[in-house]
Amino acid sequence: GQQLNQSPQSMFIQEGEDVSMNCTSSSIFNTWLWYKQEPGEGPVLLIALYKAGELTSNGRLTAQFGITRKDSFLNISASIPSDVGIYFCAGRDFQGAQKLVFGQGTRLTINP
Amino acid sequence: DAGVTQSPTHLIKTRGQHVTLRCSPISGHKSVSWYQQVLGQGPQFIFQYYEKEERGRGNFPDRFSARQFPNYSSELNVNALLLGDSALYLCASSYTGTEDTEAFFGQGTRLTVV
Repeated sequence: GQQLNQSPQSMFIQEGEDVSMNCTSSSIFNTWLWYKQEPGEGPVLLIALYKAGELTSNGRLTAQFGITRKDSFLNISASIPSDVGIYFCAGRDFQGAQKLVFGQGTRLTINP
Repeated sequence: DAGVTQSPTHLIKTRGQHVTLRCSPISGHKSVSWYQQVLGQGPQFIFQYYEKEERGRGNFPDRFSARQFPNYSSELNVNALLLGDSALYLCASSYTGTEDTEAFFGQGTRLTVV
């Protein structure tokens, strides 16, 4: 199936460090979304981006919608232990159906 | 308010059997989507339903079917189960299912086919 190219696949960092991950696509999307998933749970929406070039923050999280509409990045500042999880980017191309196309995920591990 | 609820949470089936998974959307939401998440990958879109009608279908075989009921709850059915159908099945609900409304996911049903 169609997927976005998300990198890195995994990150091992120290508590307090900043984190950056990104997502690229060969297709244009009208909306970019970033989700976090913890074990045994469904994805939880962190940030939604609706316009090319848009930069949006949610607490320590900042995400941007690329100008070309084919990429997005997510930054987490001053990481804390509860940031551990798998982060997914998702693109939405509304063509009569609200279909989300997900990346492979970035697994974040934090050493205290 | 309750979030998206899915049942059962875990299920073990034998190859060749069929399975029915259930989803109740957030109160007031009229659209339900289904996703399959294989271990180590991102979710893959299976179906979207809005007001009991199919709005979209992903690249899945005809063994997969779904329906939405008048109360907006939904069922996902999978026939002739294969080992490769083992996955976390996620349901997401949204208010209208259009591009200006966000989808919220349930905790998923973990299906194991043996």
